[in-house]
Amino acid sequence: DTGVSQDPRHKITKRGQNVTFRCDPISEHNRLYWYRQTLGQGPEFLTYFQNEAQLEKSRLLSDRFSAERPKGSFSTLEIQRTEQGDSAMYLCASSPGSLTNEKLFFGSGTQLSVL
Amino acid sequence: GESVGLHLPTLSVQEGDNSIINCAYSNSASDYFIWYKQESGKGPQFIIDIRSNMDKRQGQRVTVLLNKTVKHLSLQIAATQPGDSAVYFCAENLGLYNFNKFYFGSGTKLNVKP
Repeated sequence: DTGVSQDPRHKITKRGQNVTFRCDPISEHNRLYWYRQTLGQGPEFLTYFQNEAQLEKSRLLSDRFSAERPKGSFSTLEIQRTEQGDSAMYLCASSPGSLTNEKLFFGSGTQLSVL
Repeated sequence: GESVGLHLPTLSVQEGDNSIINCAYSNSASDYFIWYKQESGKGPQFIIDIRSNMDKRQGQRVTVLLNKTVKHLSLQIAATQPGDSAVYFCAENLGLYNFNKFYFGSGTKLNVKP
């Protein structure tokens, strides 16, 4: 068990560029979450997958954001036409999703800076 | 108190003392709670969890207390060490009808003085 892995750890981009982040959850965890965190705040929910199905998206997730989990394993989060307000830490988390075990484990995050 | 922007509530304790970090949660239907520790530049690290059918749970040097009547959680850290310095978040699970989303408070910064 290597934990939740996120790549890259840091991303610096210019406004208007597209960026894509990857998350590899703990193996056999069927729930995967994306959160966003800005300085001094707790993580804010963005979206949630149960296996390959994206079951909910937050209102925070504008049309420029898209997330996929094509085979129910790793997930990608893409931001198109980045804006300075997108600068934040993007956190991925996974959970076994059983009734007896809902523990949520986070990766180390991708720190995005939009210049 | 509540945090606004960058102004996290801060708890300063002396090394070796016990720490108590408090959290008020928002949803009376939440039935599962987790405390996380977050160090600068890292993702939140799972510390301890508790279900709503319990009012106390103990781990190694940590204890979580749950008071459902007033929707309050606390995290007690015994014999606080410099390595405990971090921001601590409580998270509540909003349940099956909310896709088991976890909602996070704004956090408390723990500063351990050697």
